Order: sequence, then C-alpha cells, then structure tokens
Amino acid sequence: SQQGEEDPQALSIQEGENATMNCSYKTSINNLQWYRQNSGRGLVHLILIRSNEREKHSGRLRVTLDTSKKSSSLLITASRAADTASYFCATDSGGYQKVTFGTGTKLQVIP
Amino acid sequence: NAGVMQNPRHLVRRRGQEARLRCSPMKGHSHVYWYRQLPEEGLKFMVYLQKENIIDESGMPKERFSAEFPKEGPSILRIQQVVRGDSAAYFCASSPGGGPAYEQYFGPGTRLTVT
Repeated sequence: SQQGEEDPQALSIQEGENATMNCSYKTSINNLQWYRQNSGRGLVHLILIRSNEREKHSGRLRVTLDTSKKSSSLLITASRAADTASYFCATDSGGYQKVTFGTGTKLQVIP
Repeated sequence: NAGVMQNPRHLVRRRGQEARLRCSPMKGHSHVYWYRQLPEEGLKFMVYLQKENIIDESGMPKERFSAEFPKEGPSILRIQQVVRGDSAAYFCASSPGGGPAYEQYFGPGTRLTVT
C-alpha cells in the first residue's frame, strides 16, 4: 500500500477559508515534502520538513509533522481560487532520496 | 537556469509501437528520477539514475521498460511494444545530489496516450 496517504481525498471550500490536509505514512522517514499539482501540469515543490522538525511555515502554508503518529498536516490559510489543485505528500526514507508519493488531496477553492 | 525539461509533452502511439520519453535535468544536476502517474492517482516511482548508472529500478516493470542516462545528453525512458495500460503521465525529476537533503525538481511531464 502507499507509504503516504492523504486525507481527505477531496476538499471544497470557499475563498478566504482555511484548508487542512493530512498525510499519514507507515515507515520511518528522513523528510516529508508537500507538492502541488495543477490540473494537467507537473509538480511544484511547496515545502520540506525534516524528521527532527515539528512545524514549518512558508507564506500562507503551515506544515506540521508528528513522527510519533507518523502523520503530517498542511494548512493553507486564507485560501484563494488559485490554490485549486491536487496536493501530495511525499516521503523519503532511504539512503538516497527515493521519494514515495501519496494519492493526493484534490482541493477546490470556490471564488 | 532552465528547469527540468521533458519532451515531447504529448505523445500518441498505437499499440505495439515504441515510446521514447526524454528528460533534460537542471544544469548541474546529475541525479534523475522517473515517475508514472495514472489518472486520478499519485506518482509512482519507477527508476533512479545517475550519469551512466541505474541506481534503483525497483519501480520499473520487468519487461518492455528501460531507462538510461548517458554521459552526454538527456535521460531516456523507453517503452517497447506499448499497450493501452501504458497510457499515463510520465514525470522526471532531477536533483544535485542523491541524499535525503536534496529537493527534487520536476519537469512538466510527458502525457502518453496509447490508442
């Protein structure tokens, strides 16, 4: 099964609201990353959080990591229509950066 | 510094033909990864290459698929005798190193359609 699994699978919110997506994984990790994918496009790297970090911010993004629960969350504050995309978490746990992606959360922000 | 480049962006092949997908990593990057994404799914790791070496091909189907990253030129993902189930988006990523500290930069993908 997938190393990373996002929850919910789909999320629809009004512009200006906050969006929270969760990711659970199974094995120990070095890093956890979040990516965004607009429809029909490649992936854009959003943020990387290391296993010894608990929280990280980047603009309107806030990522938390709980290694005891093997879970992470991505919070997008004050969402915009342009945030509409699929969001994936990705983990790496090997000696090199073999990254395993989750199945993604589809976020729709309604103007 | 140009990003990761992939070509073609769209490729249509009939069943039984060969598909060749190219990936030019970012300048200075010597590590390349290929991923496949089926509709409505996440990315699945296929293969990890350094220049002239395959480091990990654990995600590659055993038959018909091969990858290379020559000393000069782009990385090539080759699919022989394509079948409908090969229809997917294929993404490559590159990084300057292979350790866990390095972010992977993704290309725009090649969308393969097998008719």
